Amino acid sequence: DIVMTQSPDSLAVSLGERAAINCKSSQSVLYSSNNKNFLAWYQQKPRQPPKLLIYWASTRESGVPDRFSGSGSGTDFTLTISSLQAEDVAVYYCQHYYSAPPTFGQGTRVEIK
Amino acid sequence: QVQLVQSGAEVKKPGASVKVSCKASGFTLATFYMHWVRQPPGQGLEWMGIIDPSGGGTTYAQRLQGRVTMTRDTSTSTLYMELSGLRSEDTALYYCARGQKDSKITLFDNWGQGTLVTVSS
Repeated sequence: DIVMTQSPDSLAVSLGERAAINCKSSQSVLYSSNNKNFLAWYQQKPRQPPKLLIYWASTRESGVPDRFSGSGSGTDFTLTISSLQAEDVAVYYCQHYYSAPPTFGQGTRVEIK
Repeated sequence: QVQLVQSGAEVKKPGASVKVSCKASGFTLATFYMHWVRQPPGQGLEWMGIIDPSGGGTTYAQRLQGRVTMTRDTSTSTLYMELSGLRSEDTALYYCARGQKDSKITLFDNWGQGTLVTVSS
């Protein structure tokens, strides 16, 4: 199975400041035939199910604010929140869908400083 | 709008079985791949398996093989997940999640609200 490792485990950022979460996969999730990275990001707020934010490493799901962006390729990826808002307090997970079984990172908790 | 509404919380004894349901609305269940994902309290997410839109074929996570059964009733737009031989480590929130329409890729764009299954003697 592909192991997904996120860093840091938690971070505290001031309102309006930038937050960046890293995700590393144990093997490449870039599919050479279509040059797409099979990598998604989810947001999970307390007592709620996960919500899809980003797929194909950098494509925002419909309705997701543009302060959320995804980047990276191969084995190294980043989710960036350009200007943290109070409603962004949550745990964020990366997930590969390159092969079975899909696996998730351990999660990164984002809080307000 | 797409909605996935799951059945209520369950408390089971070790060795028992549990069956969780997930009623879909706002889309045609028979045209989407559907998945189950679980989350132990305070922990991360684990994919459990997939059910195909055509014919209801299934693929399960290897560590759950032999204990998990996923089915669907397209007439009522309802998914079911049954887990047998329950152990304390099966205590978790169980989510149904919608996958893709024309592809088996495991990307989840809508989730149920979750069903808490507690295994305790």
